[in-house]
Formats: sequence, structure tokens, C-alpha cells
Amino acid sequence: RKEVEQDPGPFNVPEGATVAFNCTYSNSASQSFFWYRQDCRKEPKLLMSVYSSGNEDGRFTAQLNRASQYISLLIRDSKLSDSATYLCVVNIGITGGGNKLTFGTGTQLKVEL
Amino acid sequence: EPEVTQTPSHQVTQMGQEVILRCVPISNHLYFYWYRQILGQKVEFLVSFYNNEISEKSEIFDDQFSVERPDGSNFTLKIRSTKLEDSAMYFCASRREGTQYFGPGTRLTVL
Repeated sequence: RKEVEQDPGPFNVPEGATVAFNCTYSNSASQSFFWYRQDCRKEPKLLMSVYSSGNEDGRFTAQLNRASQYISLLIRDSKLSDSATYLCVVNIGITGGGNKLTFGTGTQLKVEL
Repeated sequence: EPEVTQTPSHQVTQMGQEVILRCVPISNHLYFYWYRQILGQKVEFLVSFYNNEISEKSEIFDDQFSVERPDGSNFTLKIRSTKLEDSAMYFCASRREGTQYFGPGTRLTVL
């Protein structure tokens, strides 16, 4: 089983649509969870952290289900500028300065007129 | 806003040559990382560095790879004898606490 698994897409949606991405992770010891955004040939940029209680940042809502080892991202009222690859990222949080990030393969979103 | 910088943006080298990729982390950060992304694949962890020593490394980070923080600002990744399969984007990241911030990457092409 992959450490972090995502549907690669692409998701092609019209502007203004609501779109949801899902992610599962295999290591139950994982401590921190994130969604990063990556534009073509650019570096990953943090979109938002994901908390157990769920959290929202404007049009973006993230949810975490630790029992199912499942993370989701909902984008409402999608914009053309939301077109990118969305990376589900997990941190096991090993002590001693490690804290390596484990990335999913990403889900590609294309928002169209 | 402070940011991680990397040089060069693109490096082309011949197989078997040594390359050094350079990074300047955000100035008050304490933890430093290298990741790589082969074209079309996921971002993969290579190594983490804290308090002037490696704190964790992946299976990819074999004897051909080394990291160094030669002064108070630079953080380098050296590949001693490059292979074709080392062609990838190499991202440096740093953090103080919490979030890791990524540099723009160096595209390494091995011919």
C-alpha cells in the first residue's frame, strides 16, 4: 500500500464549481497533515494544514478522519487560478529534527471557463 | 517576506560528473531538507539536517550524496558521480517550527 494515496485526476471543472479531493495514508503514527499546491514545474506551496476538527480558509475546507486515515480538501466557487496539482502531505513527526514530509502523487485540477 | 533561494535554477552535467546544488534557507530557520521530484512523479524526501548533522535520510540518499552547511547561510547538496537517473528537480526546504518552506528548485539534467 502506498504511504499517501491520491486520485491523480485530472479533474476538469467549470468555473464556480465545487470540487473535492480525497487522500488516504497508511501510517497510523502520522501526526501532521497538509495540503500543498504545486503549479507546473514550480515548488510545492503550503495551502493549508489539516486539523482533526476540520478547518476552513476562505473557499477551502480540509477534513481529517484519523480512524479511517483519510484526508479531504473541498474547494468551493473554483477560480481559473485554482488550476494546479494539489498534493496531500503527511508528517510522521519523528523526534530529533526529522519531520520529513511524505507526499502523495497529487491530484491535478483544471478549472475551465 | 523571507524565502528560500536556490542556485542554479538549471544545471546540465555529464554522467559521472560531480554537481553541487546550493540553497540559502530562511535566516532564522533551524531545520533543513532536500527533496527531489523526477518528472511526472511525486516529491520524495532525501535528507534532513539539524544542528550540523544529518537527522534522517532516505534510501535514495546513498554514498553518492552528501550535504553540508559550510557557513551560517548556505546549505548544499553534493552528488559525487551523477547518473542518468539523478535527473530531477531538487527542492531545498527549511523550517523553524511547523511549516516547511520550499525553494524554487534546481532542475538537474544528466546527459
